[in-house]
Order: sequence, then C-alpha cells, then structure tokens
Amino acid sequence: GNSVTQMEGPVTLSEEAFLTINCTYTATGYPSLFWYVQYPGEGLQLLLKATKADDKGSNKGFEATYRKETTSFHLEKGSVQVSDSAVYFCALSDPGANSKLTFGKGITLSVRP
Amino acid sequence: EAGVAQSPRYKIIEKRQSVAFWCNPISGHATLYWYQQILGQGPKLLIQFQNNGVVDDSQLPKDRFSAERLKGVDSTLKIQPAKLEDSAVYLCASSSPGTTGTDTQYFGPGTRLTVL
Repeated sequence: GNSVTQMEGPVTLSEEAFLTINCTYTATGYPSLFWYVQYPGEGLQLLLKATKADDKGSNKGFEATYRKETTSFHLEKGSVQVSDSAVYFCALSDPGANSKLTFGKGITLSVRP
Repeated sequence: EAGVAQSPRYKIIEKRQSVAFWCNPISGHATLYWYQQILGQGPKLLIQFQNNGVVDDSQLPKDRFSAERLKGVDSTLKIQPAKLEDSAVYLCASSSPGTTGTDTQYFGPGTRLTVL
C-alpha cells in the first residue's frame, strides 16, 4: 500500500536559518506529491505540489523536488521566518486510488526570533 | 471564493453519546472527503464522496460512523455511540478534477471532538 514517512520532530530553528524537512514515500502507482501546512488554530493549507518526476513545486519561498529515483520530496527554505512556525505534512495522492491523500505524521517547526 | 465550511468548531460529549458534524464544500466541487486527525498523527481518510455517491469508505468504522451527502452538496458525518478513542479533529475537504487528473484538495478548519 501507499505510505509517507517524515523525519522525526519537532524542529526548532533561529530566524533566517536554512530549513530541510525530509519526506520519503512508497507508492504502487505514479503519485502526485504535496506539502500541506497547518498554522496554529487554522486548517490545513496546500503549500506546494508536484505531479510528476523531476517537477519542482514552490510557494512562499519553500521548494520541493519530486525525486522518483530516491522516492523523496524534501521541503526546503533558504531563510525561515517566525511566521513559518507551523506543522508541515507531506502527502501523496494516487490517481489509481481515487486520488485519496495519504499523509505523513507531520512535523512541528518552531522558529525563534 | 468561499472556502470549505465546517460546524461546529468544537464539541465535547460523553462516551456513548452521539454527535454530528456538518460540511459545506467549495461551490462546484464534486468530490468531498472526511478525514480523522488524531493528535500527533496525519489525517486519515474516513470516506470519499463523488457527488452524492460513496467512492471509498473502506476505513470508516461502519458500526458507529455514518455519513451522507444529500443532493451532492453538503455532507454530515455522525458518530453513534462515541468512544473515547474518537477524540480527534474531523476535517472535511473538497476538490474538483484538475487538468492533470490530480485533484487538489482544499480543507476546512475542522471540528475538534473531545469524548469524555
């Protein structure tokens, strides 16, 4: 079956530090990959996505590249801000499984001023 | 464009009571999903509707959970009777088919259920 594995958290960084959050997946088909973010007290929001191998998704300074050879979709940002403090979820959508989302456990990011 | 609406935002009940959650998807979105998010975990799909038909309910505990989507718009998720382990955030999401065949799902704010 499909699964998503995220690195263990939480992660605490100082403002302007470089961020990498690891995500690897297992899928039987050709999934699309997503990063969702959940800010305190809010619902899940789509941060970025990639629909095929070697695609790069980007938004708000965040980037992730769909790597089929390593089955990975790591999230990166060059300089984090306090406002980036949130929970980040990696997810995949398998068109062969009615496009339902399979999520990782999520990781909490805290950014200190 | 209005987002996915859910109510109530919070609910506290005692075990063995019943509870219902409501969801109004984004206008025009044919697909509606209910997810359960237990604290410290990622959301898990409970049920998926396409218009008013069920596409996937394989992870819905059907002995206590039920859901319906009358007229292919609003949806209601019910738990009867509730157990302590049902304490979670219940998320509703909706989507419409994209040109790549990948449906981007848009989530509501969720209903936080506490079962005492």
